[in-house]
Amino acid sequence: QLQLQESGPGLVKPSETLSLTCTVSGGSISSSSYYWGWIRQPPGKGLEWIGSIYYSGSTYYNPSLKSRVTISVDTSKNQFSLKLSSVTAADTAVYYCASTAKLLAELDYWGQGTLVTVSS
Amino acid sequence: EIVMTQSPATLSVSPGERATLSCRASQSVSSNLAWYQQKPGQAPRLLIYGASTRATGIPARFSGSGSGTEFTLTISSLQSEDFAVYYCQQYNNWPSRTFGQGTKVEIK
Repeated sequence: QLQLQESGPGLVKPSETLSLTCTVSGGSISSSSYYWGWIRQPPGKGLEWIGSIYYSGSTYYNPSLKSRVTISVDTSKNQFSLKLSSVTAADTAVYYCASTAKLLAELDYWGQGTLVTVSS
Repeated sequence: EIVMTQSPATLSVSPGERATLSCRASQSVSSNLAWYQQKPGQAPRLLIYGASTRATGIPARFSGSGSGTEFTLTISSLQSEDFAVYYCQQYNNWPSRTFGQGTKVEIK
């Protein structure tokens, strides 16, 4: 069974870049069986899909965030990463990494989430 | 972008009673719909995918139905551990997979 774990700074200054990493265990990130994604949830609010990546490096982004988002994969470390540039207070959220069996499919495995606060 | 609308926002139910949650899509998503349960401080957990298929380990009291634009999640007999927030999500339309705003099921 897959396990995912987010890591990264919990505090980011406005206008800087948010960087998070998701470490995958229990399976290979290079498996053709999975796509890997990021979802966020502002405090007290609903869920927003940020984007997904395949082990080959193909990426798929939410159009509303596309200009600021970069998702990458490091197969040697069994990790994938999220970078969100030019952050504002509106980007304060719990960030989750998750997996899907296909590009368009349900999110079956989730990390526990990590809170990132944007504040000076 | 497809908008997912859940109703009601809050549902007050007594333990042992049935709960019926609704999710409506602004355009057809076929059967490409999932339901998730989220408890405070936890990540969402997949309950239902393909509109009606229970995920691994999900009790039979959870059932999903619908297709196109109208979907329902039913919890046949609420247990104490079922009080949570429930989200629907469509994954039919590229590129964005949108979520509903959630329904909170609380103890009556």
